[in-house]
Amino acid sequence: GESVGLHLPTLSVQEGDNSIINCAYSNSASDYFIWYKQESGKGPQFIIDIRSNMDKRQGQRVTVLLNKTVKHLSLQIAATQPGDSAVYFCAEDKVNQGGKLIFGQGTELSVKP
Amino acid sequence: DSGVTQTPKHLITATGQRVTLRCSPRSGDLSVYWYQQSLDQGLQFLIQYYNGEERAKGNILERFSAQQFPDLHSELNLSSLELGDSALYFCASSANSGGSETQYFGPGTRLLVL
Repeated sequence: GESVGLHLPTLSVQEGDNSIINCAYSNSASDYFIWYKQESGKGPQFIIDIRSNMDKRQGQRVTVLLNKTVKHLSLQIAATQPGDSAVYFCAEDKVNQGGKLIFGQGTELSVKP
Repeated sequence: DSGVTQTPKHLITATGQRVTLRCSPRSGDLSVYWYQQSLDQGLQFLIQYYNGEERAKGNILERFSAQQFPDLHSELNLSSLELGDSALYFCASSANSGGSETQYFGPGTRLLVL
């Protein structure tokens, strides 16, 4: 079936380094993608989103890249900080199907001081 | 703080019982979504309500039901509970009817069925 999946379940980086978290999706009809951060014991927190008519979108220290040709999504975090340690989920959505977000399995980011 | 509130934070109950989880969306948001997060299934969409009406349905069990009230808060009812229903249940809200808009999540209710 169609699904969103993550390549790496865990990622460990040094504080100050850049992090890249990847996500593959299989539904070519998806047109909206979101990255969420989930800290232990908390709900998913919105980080950044991107629509299918864009290739790149930047936020504060975060950048999302969308490659529709290979159905790939990535989240780049610049100058990773200990507070960035969390599980990161990508999610996909499709216009006119309500708000049924399909989540990937998640990648755990661990930042070493 | 997302502005979405959920109660209770923790719930411990026995198999066969029924529980009700409550969610208040962000001020002004008309859509409420329910998700289940378990270790083996990840985050799974259950159901969406928009302005009091059911809008979209996921793999929600027949033992589960939800509703959205005129004040836009929502309740998720889980009945005939089984051990496998133990999970985190999240509510999210968005401004409109959904589809390509940001959903903001509450802190969740942790349900433990013994």
